[in-house]
Amino acid sequence: KAGVTQTPRYLIKTRGQQVTLSCSPISGHRSVSWYQQTPGQGLQFLFEYFSETQRNKGNFPGRFSGRQFSNSRSEMNVSTLELGDSALYLCASSVQGATGELFFGEGSRLTVL
Amino acid sequence: DQQVKQNSPSLSVQEGRISILNCDYTNSMFDYFLWYKKYPAEGPTFLISISSIKDKNEDGRFTVFLNKSAKHLSLHIVPSQPGDSAVYFCAAVKGGTSYGKLTFGQGTILTVHP
Repeated sequence: KAGVTQTPRYLIKTRGQQVTLSCSPISGHRSVSWYQQTPGQGLQFLFEYFSETQRNKGNFPGRFSGRQFSNSRSEMNVSTLELGDSALYLCASSVQGATGELFFGEGSRLTVL
Repeated sequence: DQQVKQNSPSLSVQEGRISILNCDYTNSMFDYFLWYKKYPAEGPTFLISISSIKDKNEDGRFTVFLNKSAKHLSLHIVPSQPGDSAVYFCAAVKGGTSYGKLTFGQGTILTVHP
């Protein structure tokens, strides 16, 4: 069974640009969550989607957005990039009802110059 | 406001001995707790969990203990193996509809020496 796939794995952007990250969950998983990992703040929750609906949202500015498609694949977008957005962005999928038991992808490493 | 804290940034133990990783939380609304392990260049991997109605859960070499009155949980690894060397994160989740919304600690780097 294929794991969670995130693309791209690495990317470099400049301040002011926008970026879109993609996540394909494990087959059969309908819930997708996104996390930001930085050395200073650790792993922080961004948002969670289930059946194309945002179910939970973390404390991030409106520049961070996401969506989920009917095939459960998800994308997140960050607009007007800032230096502080440099981070590892992790996507995780889970089976409905499996509280907290997430399967993470390897992440997308974003560097903002 | 850090609701889940791992106060030890690192821990070093000898192979075969016990590793004890600690975690404290402040939010009484958390009712499910988990431990994740992370190797470099990989995403975190779920290790073990415990519901707030229990005080202990075992899975092979891994045991998680929960002390609700102290708002403290710990992960015991016995015996420790070099392959256990990784970053360990504790996480907590509230009940209801917060399924994938985890609050993580800062992580503890475990090094197991042969």
